[in-house]
Formats: sequence, structure tokens, C-alpha cells
Amino acid sequence: DSGVTQTPKHLITATGQRVTLRCSPRSGDLSVYWYQQSLDQGLQFLIHYYNGEERAKGNILERFSAQQFPDLHSELNLSSLELGDSALYFCASSIDLTDTQYFGPGTRLTVL
Amino acid sequence: AQSVSQHNHHVILSEAASLELGCNYSYGGTVNLFWYVQYPGQHLQLLLKYFSGDPLVKGIKGFEAEFIKSKFSFNLRKPSVQWSDTAEYFCAVNPISNTDKLIFGTGTRLQVFP
Repeated sequence: DSGVTQTPKHLITATGQRVTLRCSPRSGDLSVYWYQQSLDQGLQFLIHYYNGEERAKGNILERFSAQQFPDLHSELNLSSLELGDSALYFCASSIDLTDTQYFGPGTRLTVL
Repeated sequence: AQSVSQHNHHVILSEAASLELGCNYSYGGTVNLFWYVQYPGQHLQLLLKYFSGDPLVKGIKGFEAEFIKSKFSFNLRKPSVQWSDTAEYFCAVNPISNTDKLIFGTGTRLQVFP
């Protein structure tokens, strides 16, 4: 157990819908990262927040957004969902900007 | 563009065989290097990491990796695999100049048969 928690574990929804994925970092970690894992794209970095501020964006679609709250938990919002958004979404956290990232159990999103 | 290559996509071994998984990266600057393992149905777990110092690093479960700077490589090794090592292994690179993200390789699926 890495100490990073993610909810829900599984999410099944329809195209065009909007969902919110939640991540709680390890106690004391200020950085939260979101990754998408799919069969065709592999593990792709989406976005990074540090102490409430957006630090960097990767291959994140405009339909996706995220935020990190004052208690340091983070939410990833996915809207206008398409079949191709079906994937595992992982959250990772680290103490600061340069430390090891520890991964949560992931949320498996299925878009029907 | 920065990238990580794992040339072995699928490796099949018998128990007690030795393992070496290749990892090469393309980035000219200083990097932090990682190997993560993903057991079936589970999340990514850190096996080992290299930040600086001795280029031969030891991780959990008997794994080790060697950083060879001149070859831009960070190969993972284990002298004797077990059935429980069946998993997917990911090499990842974190450029010091851009520590906002991990760049992952495509992964190597290891199957170990008793």
C-alpha cells in the first residue's frame, strides 16, 4: 500500500457524460500527478499540481481538467466522454518536486 | 523529444532463470531513473531508483539495476526469478530540468512458469 488513495475503483459511464476522479496523496506530500494508462498509448502524464498550483500539463485533452484543493487532495474532471477515454487513471504523489512518485491503485474508467 | 525504450515487450522464463530487462532513454542532461512493477490488477509499485552515486542500485525483492551513462541505459536484473515475479515492468525517466513528470517506457510483460 503506497498511501495514495483513489476513488472510485471502477466507473462505467456513457459517451457524452462527465465524471470526477478523486485522489488523496500520501500524508505530507505536496505534489499530485495524474497519469492515463491505455493499451495503445501506454502510461501518459496528464497534469501535475504542487501545493494547490498547477505546475505542468502533459498530453491532457481540453475536455479534461483538474484541481488540487487546500487539503491537498486532487480531482480530475473528464467531460464529453468518448469511447477512447476508457483507460486506467492513476494518481501519484511525492513530497516535493524532485522526489519519488508513489502511485495510487487507479480508477478504471469504461465509457460505453 | 525525450523518450524511453524498452525493447523486450514480452519475456517468458522458467523459475530460477536469470532476468535482464533493457531500458534506454534519450535525454542528454541529468536524469533520475526508476523501475516500477505492476502486478496483475494492481497499481504501480516502486522497485528501485537511481538519483546519483553508485550506478549499481539494489531494490526490493532481489532486483538490481545498473546505470551506464555512456549508453543511456538503466537495465534491470535479477539472478533468479520466481513465479511471483510475473508482472509488467516499467522503466521511467525524470529529467532533472523538468521534474514535473515521469516519462515511461512501454513496459515489459514478464511471465515466469514454475
